[in-house]
This record gives sequence, C-alpha cells and structure tokens, in this order.
Amino acid sequence: SQQGEEDPQALSIQEGENATMNCSYKTSINNLQWYRQNSGRGLVHLILIRSNEREKHSGRLRVTLDTSKKSSSLLITASRAADTASYFCATPSADRGSTLGRLYFGRGTQLTVWP
Amino acid sequence: NAGVMQNPRHLVRRRGQEARLRCSPMKGHSHVYWYRQLPEEGLKFMVYLQKENIIDESGMPKERFSAEFPKEGPSILRIQQVVRGDSAAYFCASSPQGGYNSPLHFGNGTRLTVT
Repeated sequence: SQQGEEDPQALSIQEGENATMNCSYKTSINNLQWYRQNSGRGLVHLILIRSNEREKHSGRLRVTLDTSKKSSSLLITASRAADTASYFCATPSADRGSTLGRLYFGRGTQLTVWP
Repeated sequence: NAGVMQNPRHLVRRRGQEARLRCSPMKGHSHVYWYRQLPEEGLKFMVYLQKENIIDESGMPKERFSAEFPKEGPSILRIQQVVRGDSAAYFCASSPQGGYNSPLHFGNGTRLTVT
C-alpha cells in the first residue's frame, strides 16, 4: 500500500504554540500534498510539495519532504483555535499505469488548539 | 465562483433502497473523483471520471455501485440495494487537469446513513 500515515494520531496544544505533524509513505512519489478537514466538512488543499523540493512555505505553514526517509512534516506556527481540524497527507501513485490524480490518504492527525 | 457542490448533505436510506448522490464540479473542471470516508479513517478512492467517460473505477465495489458523469448535468454516484456497511461520508472532488500536480477541490460531502 502507498498509503501515507500521519503521526501523531491526535495533538492538543495551546494557542500560540507550534504544531508539528509527520507523514510517512511507502513508495516513490511525484509530490506530497497536505489537506485540512474541519469537522463535518470536505477537505481543503493546503500545500503541495514536489519530490525535488525539500521545503516549502505558505503563510504560517511550513512543509518539509525527505524522500530518502519517505517522510514529510507539516509545521503550523503560532497556532490559533481556528486551526483545530484534522490534517491529512496524500500522495499520488507513481506506479506505471496508475491513475493520474488518484490520491492515497492517511488516517490523519486530529489537531486541537485550545484558546 | 462556486466550489464543488454536493447534494444532498445528508441521506438516510433503509436497507435495500437505492442511494443517489450528486456532484457538480467547480466551473471549468472536467475531472471528477469520488472518495469514501469511514469514521476515524482517511479517504479511500472510489472512481475517477471525465465527461462521459469512466477513467478508473478500481476503487469501487463491482456490485451495487455505479458512477456516471454525463455530458450535461452533475456526476452521479449510485448505490443500489444499500446495506449498513455503506454508511459513510462520500466526497466528490474535481480538478481542471488530471495530472499528478493538480490539487483536488472537495465538496462538503454526502453523509449516507443506512438504517
């Protein structure tokens, strides 16, 4: 399975603290994507990092990718109560003949930010 | 610019009935994906469609499930003779292209409950 796995399963922090979530995957990838899901809603795309990139920033988000370790991390700096959500990493299959755009999702990290 | 629209938001069916889920992709998007999410789980790919074509249905059960994306109108995911195990959140996503580096835009899902 190429499914990414997030770690930890749940994370609880205070507002203003940083939150770090990790993702591991099993096979070669073209890119890795992070999504956020608020309770009862659909997923929202946060950031995409390509396999030839090591780090990417978007606002308070910082994503790293280590293809040698098949792992990625998502850092949210100066967290806010509104950041409370589930965070998923997703990878498209790089297998020959696989469907372009089909994503494999992990089970997610449930982040709770207390005011 | 409306996002991906799914309806209904909630659907309750008795065992043996049919469930029909609708998805209108974002304007200008011709690639549609259906995913299923069980409680506390990540999303699992079901089917990928372009207008009038099923590109990949390898994630969809071969019996009772079907999907279409007609030339006119929304994409439809149909589940015949529903069983309790079909209870889940079903998400539709769209993208303007089908490539590896095209993030998905998700709707808010249809929550199916089978009683």
